[in-house]
Amino acid sequence: DIQMTQSPSSVSASVGDRVTITCRASRGINGWLAWYQQKPGTAPKLLIHAASTLQSGVPSRFSGSGSWADFNLTISSLQPEDFATYYCQQTNSFPLTFGGGTKVEIK
Amino acid sequence: QVQLVESGGGLVRPGGSLTLSCKVSGFTFEDYYMTWMRQAPGKGLEWVSYIDKTDGTTYYAESVKGRFTISRDNAKNSMFLQMKNLRAEDTAMYFCARARWKRDFDFWGQGTLVAVSS
Repeated sequence: DIQMTQSPSSVSASVGDRVTITCRASRGINGWLAWYQQKPGTAPKLLIHAASTLQSGVPSRFSGSGSWADFNLTISSLQPEDFATYYCQQTNSFPLTFGGGTKVEIK
Repeated sequence: QVQLVESGGGLVRPGGSLTLSCKVSGFTFEDYYMTWMRQAPGKGLEWVSYIDKTDGTTYYAESVKGRFTISRDNAKNSMFLQMKNLRAEDTAMYFCARARWKRDFDFWGQGTLVAVSS
């Protein structure tokens, strides 16, 4: 199975800050990575697929980068509605696996 | 608009069974791969099972293999998860989701809660 390791597990930041979350796969996944945002009590929302393609309707302050096994999700200027937990998921092969999540909290 | 609505969750004793349903609308169900995910209270996301759109090929997480069965009824715009021999560690919110292309998921239901306890 492909293990997904996210870091940090939590980050405190202020509105307007630039935030970067890292996701590392235990082996190469050829860019097959998705990022999700989840707010308490709600279902996850797809932000980015194929490592860097912004899902329709997602604000352009979100961006994804990386290849092979190392990936980043960057929020260029944190907005109040961005405080949430973020998960990466490898979409390369079964079993599908998620990172442990990164909680973005208000500083 | 696209909607996915799960139902069938509840409280069940260890060793018991439950069948979850996911009723969809707003898109052509037979054109999409579908999946079940779960999230234990206060924990992260876990993929559970997946069903192909064409030949009905199914995939399972090791933790549920042999106990859970995924199926779909394209005529009823519905997907199911039959769960048997439930364990305490199966306690979670269960979400159904639509695959955007193959294995990332662009629309999710609101979830149905399964609690396994004596």
